[in-house]
Amino acid sequence: AQSVSQHNHHVILSEAASLELGCNYSYGGTVNLFWYVQYPGQHLQLLLKYFSGDPLVKGIKGFEAEFIKSKFSFNLRKPSVQWSDTAEYFCAVTGGSYIPTFGRGTSLIVHP
Amino acid sequence: EPEVTQTPSHQVTQMGQEVILRCVPISNHLYFYWYRQILGQKVEFLVSFYNNEISEKSEIFDDQFSVERPDGSNFTLKIRSTKLEDSAMYFCASSEGRSSGNTIYFGEGSWLTVV
Repeated sequence: AQSVSQHNHHVILSEAASLELGCNYSYGGTVNLFWYVQYPGQHLQLLLKYFSGDPLVKGIKGFEAEFIKSKFSFNLRKPSVQWSDTAEYFCAVTGGSYIPTFGRGTSLIVHP
Repeated sequence: EPEVTQTPSHQVTQMGQEVILRCVPISNHLYFYWYRQILGQKVEFLVSFYNNEISEKSEIFDDQFSVERPDGSNFTLKIRSTKLEDSAMYFCASSEGRSSGNTIYFGEGSWLTVV
């Protein structure tokens, strides 16, 4: 069965700091990977996804993620965060099942 | 951009009461899902629904839960006799197809508090 671990549960940064959120998955076969974001009071939105091809994926709002197969990782990055990036970030994987399995989420607070 | 919409956004109910959470999936989507997130815990899959029947369900989705598509647009989750531990955010979602690369679109969630 597929599973996802997000090791950073709470991250606090100042504006303009760089961001990296960790995501590791476990599944032996081909996977598709997703990062979702949930802004306060809003629904889960897709930030970016990896299906195949270039392991460096660019998403909306300046976010990117790199799929490293050997490390079973799909870390989310942003070079310079803004106050408006304050949100909950969820990594998800599909592999054996078409139904995504989510990580626990990382709460990001960006101080102005 | 089309959205999945959910009602109510927040409901408080007494233990033992029945609750119905409603969802309107994106109109051309064929697969529907319910997930829940207990505060501080993972987003957990409950059930998926296709062609008017449950296609997959998790261990969480026991006999107190049921889903229905009563008309062409709504997709509902019913909790028959709520327990304190049912307090959670419930997310409805939908997708066009069923493949591991398919993007699933989520609603804003319905926050259920059982007292």
